[in-house]
Amino acid sequence: EVQLVESGGGLVEPGGSLRVSCAASGFTFSNVWMSWVRQAPGKGLEWIGLIKATTNGGTTDYGAPVKGRFTISRDDSKNTLYLQMNSLKTEDTAVYYCTTVSKTLYYFDYWGQGTLVTVSS
Amino acid sequence: DIQMTQSPSSLSASVGDRITITCRASQSISSYLNWYRQKPGKAPKLLIYAASSLQSGVPSRFSGSGSGTDFTLTISGLQPEDFATFYCQQTYSTPYTFGQGTRLEIK
Repeated sequence: EVQLVESGGGLVEPGGSLRVSCAASGFTFSNVWMSWVRQAPGKGLEWIGLIKATTNGGTTDYGAPVKGRFTISRDDSKNTLYLQMNSLKTEDTAVYYCTTVSKTLYYFDYWGQGTLVTVSS
Repeated sequence: DIQMTQSPSSLSASVGDRITITCRASQSISSYLNWYRQKPGKAPKLLIYAASSLQSGVPSRFSGSGSGTDFTLTISGLQPEDFATFYCQQTYSTPYTFGQGTRLEIK
């Protein structure tokens, strides 16, 4: 059974940093593309970025609102995906979900339960 | 960036009804269109991928159609668990954008 479990969310001040993690199980993590999606309170879904499988170069791509501030990485030895968030703004307050990404048609087939990040002073 | 526009933004219906939600892309996205259902307080769940392919394990009351810029999600025979919010998403090019959502409420 595929499982994605996010952790590391919490309260951080504006301008601060936070790293959230996503522990994966039930599939061969190193072969799978992964993505982060967020949802601000009461709002819709926003794609943050993705990381390709290491076998596909492990390259990353980001949405404009987070480019240059957020970094997605992976540790295939730990079956874990990371999202490093720097220079946080109040508008980054959201539930952050990790997802798997189909390599061929790029749909997001499995989602974690999400972790809440609150940016506030 | 490709803009995705869903209509309606909200909809009231009854158990057993048939409903259709529309999603329009600001440019052609071929068939790179996915549909998700999100229940309150839960993560989204993939229903339909590539415009019309039913994800494994998803009931056959869900169907999708369309290509290019115009797409529809149809639910035939609404069940209580379908009263939720539905999102379309394009994965033709990054940034992978979502529609604003359609909230389906019980009449």
